[in-house]
Amino acid sequence: ELKVEQNPLFLSMQEGKNYTIYCNYSTTSDRLYWYRQDPGKSLESLFVLLSNGAVKQEGRLMASLDTKARLSTLHITAAVHDLSATYFCAVDSGSRLTFGEGTQLTVNP
Amino acid sequence: KAGVTQTPRYLIKTRGQQVTLSCSPISGHRSVSWYQQTPGQGLQFLFEYFSETQRNKGNFPGRFSGRQFSNSRSEMNVSTLELGDSALYLCASSALGGLNQPQHFGDGTRLSIL
Repeated sequence: ELKVEQNPLFLSMQEGKNYTIYCNYSTTSDRLYWYRQDPGKSLESLFVLLSNGAVKQEGRLMASLDTKARLSTLHITAAVHDLSATYFCAVDSGSRLTFGEGTQLTVNP
Repeated sequence: KAGVTQTPRYLIKTRGQQVTLSCSPISGHRSVSWYQQTPGQGLQFLFEYFSETQRNKGNFPGRFSGRQFSNSRSEMNVSTLELGDSALYLCASSALGGLNQPQHFGDGTRLSIL
């Protein structure tokens, strides 16, 4: 059974700081997605990572995928308050997503 | 382009009742998936439909069922509701499903069981 683990689960950081969220998964896959969820809202697609070594960047967020290590990272650069949300990684195993527990990020002024 | 539309947004039911949730995918999308989100279990896959056929199913009891129509709209039914079925039910669509495309999620239906 595929397991996806994120850490940390809770992250409180100051504006302007950098940090990384980690996503480990238990079986081979080369398709991984990152989503953002604001309180009471749905999931917004952030990144699609489709191969080993894939790196995607959008604004202050950068995601990477290492399929050999079964690890994806979401790096936050110079955090701002607007990034406060819950971030999920999800591994695609053929029309079915298995999600991590989510990382609740709070960016403090 | 309109996004994934789920109705109703909120629903209150009592134990033992049944409920039907509806999902209209993005125009042109043929794959529809359903997920349950709870504080305790997180996001869990229920099932996926493609061209009116269920292609994949998660580990949920038979009380949870679904179907997809020829226009790709999907419904999910839960019978004999239990307190533990209280959750946010999310529907997601993608063009082909499982072929390197992100799933686009609707706003969800929040189901409360009294």
